[in-house]
Amino acid sequence: NAGVTQTPKFQVLKTGQSMTLQCAQDMNHEYMSWYRQDPGMGLRLIHYSVGAGITDQGEVPNGYNVSRSTTEDFPLRLLSAAPSQTSVYFCASSRGRGVYNEQFFGPGTRLTVL
Amino acid sequence: RKEVEQDPGPFNVPEGATVAFNCTYSNSASQSFFWYRQDCRKEPKLLMSVYSSGNEDGRFTAQLNRASQYISLLIRDSKLSDSATYLCVVNRVQFYFGTGTSLTVIP
Repeated sequence: NAGVTQTPKFQVLKTGQSMTLQCAQDMNHEYMSWYRQDPGMGLRLIHYSVGAGITDQGEVPNGYNVSRSTTEDFPLRLLSAAPSQTSVYFCASSRGRGVYNEQFFGPGTRLTVL
Repeated sequence: RKEVEQDPGPFNVPEGATVAFNCTYSNSASQSFFWYRQDCRKEPKLLMSVYSSGNEDGRFTAQLNRASQYISLLIRDSKLSDSATYLCVVNRVQFYFGTGTSLTVIP
């Protein structure tokens, strides 16, 4: 099993550009989520999905879109990049949202917006 | 008020020392509790879940006090390889992460 994979590992964008961060998991997990991690802020939830076709907003959704057309894939789209979106982005998956379901994280995407 | 609060440290301890980290959570409806470990510039990985009765895994002991909304992690006989950031995580519909406590074990 590859677990949770993310591409790209690094990305530099100019303000106003759009891009998609890719996330895939091969564990047949229902629950997937996107976080951003900034110094002193901890991980903050952007969007999450409880299954194919179902997504919802987390704590910091503005400027990001998601879709979940398959169980395996959960891409995150930046619509018009801003310097405030410079961060490390982690995708995670778990069997569900039930008690004591462990979250497995991808290796992260380090995004810089100039 | 933040959902999860941790002392950011840093904690610098000699090899072989015992160190304890604390974490508080604000919502009494929180259902499950975890400690994750994050190495520099890497993804978080589950260290251990925290059960109401307390649980131990080798040199690591986790405790939960629901009445005080408090979680702890004790590391005994610290190793150089324990140097990392330790994240307190609480699950209530979503997962809520603390900002992490930095530990450096010194030879």
